[in-house]
Amino acid sequence: KQEVTQIPAALSVPEGENLVLNCSFTDSAIYNLQWFRQDPGKGLTSLLLIQSSQREQTSGRLNASLDKSSGRSTLYIAASQPGDSATYLCAVRREETSGSRLTFGEGTQLTVNP
Amino acid sequence: DTEVTQTPKHLVMGMTNKKSLKCEQHMGHRAMYWYKQKAKKPPELMFVYSYEKLSINESVPSRFSPECPNSSLLNLHLHALQPEDSALYLCASSQATGIIGYTFGSGTRLTVV
Repeated sequence: KQEVTQIPAALSVPEGENLVLNCSFTDSAIYNLQWFRQDPGKGLTSLLLIQSSQREQTSGRLNASLDKSSGRSTLYIAASQPGDSATYLCAVRREETSGSRLTFGEGTQLTVNP
Repeated sequence: DTEVTQTPKHLVMGMTNKKSLKCEQHMGHRAMYWYKQKAKKPPELMFVYSYEKLSINESVPSRFSPECPNSSLLNLHLHALQPEDSALYLCASSQATGIIGYTFGSGTRLTVV
């Protein structure tokens, strides 16, 4: 059974800092990995998608890397802003004969202080 | 249209009520999902529909009954729920193959009283 772990569980930083969120998974037979953002009580917003054959993806101040063989991904946020405060979820996709399955980590709750 | 739309946004129901949650997407995705999320926990998979057929049921109690009337719509019928079923219910869609990632709706906040 796939297990996804995110470290740290919570992070509080001053505005302007660069930061790294970590995600690890136990089964490297993944199809892709997706990073999401979730604001309190809201749905999930997709940030970055990395296919299993890719090493990294970038969008604006966000950069995600994937090392499939070691079962690790990192989300790098540059020049953090108070608006970045949210919970960040890492999820790995696996294809099974019965269908697609997305397994989530517990999330990192990020607070960026002005 | 690049959204998954869920209605209603909030729902309060009694334990003897019957209600339905609705999810709609017009991105041509052929896989649709229901997830349940409790406070401060990650989403948990409930059901997967692939090409309008139920392909995964994560041993969900029968008081939750999914339905996929067509490739754009996904319903979750609720009956005789318990207070512990109170949660955020999220719908998602994706292509049947994983080239494009999942798109999630904004969820339905369900409270069972």
